[in-house]
Amino acid sequence: DIQMTQSPSTLSASVGDTVTISCRASQNINAWLAWYQAKPGRAPKLLIHKASSLETGVPSRFSGSGSRTEFTLTITSLQPDDFATYYCQQYDDDFPYTFGQGTKLEIK
Amino acid sequence: QVQLQESGPGLVKPSETLSLTCTVSGASVNKNYWCWLRQSPGKGLEWIGCLSNNGNSKNSPSLQSRASIAIDTSKNQFSLSLSSVTAADTATYYCAREFGYKDPFDVWGRGTMVTVSS
Repeated sequence: DIQMTQSPSTLSASVGDTVTISCRASQNINAWLAWYQAKPGRAPKLLIHKASSLETGVPSRFSGSGSRTEFTLTITSLQPDDFATYYCQQYDDDFPYTFGQGTKLEIK
Repeated sequence: QVQLQESGPGLVKPSETLSLTCTVSGASVNKNYWCWLRQSPGKGLEWIGCLSNNGNSKNSPSLQSRASIAIDTSKNQFSLSLSSVTAADTATYYCAREFGYKDPFDVWGRGTMVTVSS
């Protein structure tokens, strides 16, 4: 299985800050990487696919970058609604699809 | 707007079969891939498998022998059966859509908690 390692596991920030979350794949997944936002009791939300393509309706303060094994999610000008848990996921041909362990973004 | 809603028993006994249903609105189960995932308490997300109505399926090797997904076009629903459950199968189960063969999960349900206990 392809292992996905996210860092940090917890991130404390303030409204207006810029934060970066990292995701590393244990082998080359090209750009087959997605980022999701999850909140308790709510459906997880797809933010970014193909490493850097923003989903329709997702604010432009979210951006993704990277390829092969190293990826980042950046959120600029944090808003109160952004405090959540973020997951990366690889969806390359090599099954199973796997997720990072999550990064909890907390209010400082 | 596409919406998914999981339903099923919240408590299942060990060794029995866990059965969940996902009701789809705003889209047809005749298209796309329909998937199940889960998240055990305190752990990460785990993909279980996906199925399209034309019979294409993809499954996690670790659960393939126990998990089965089916599509009911008459009700616009799909389901998960997981046999021989143990406490390790206690989790929040999510249904989701994979738009195409190599796409992320673009729509999810809110999840339903299932506890395996006698």
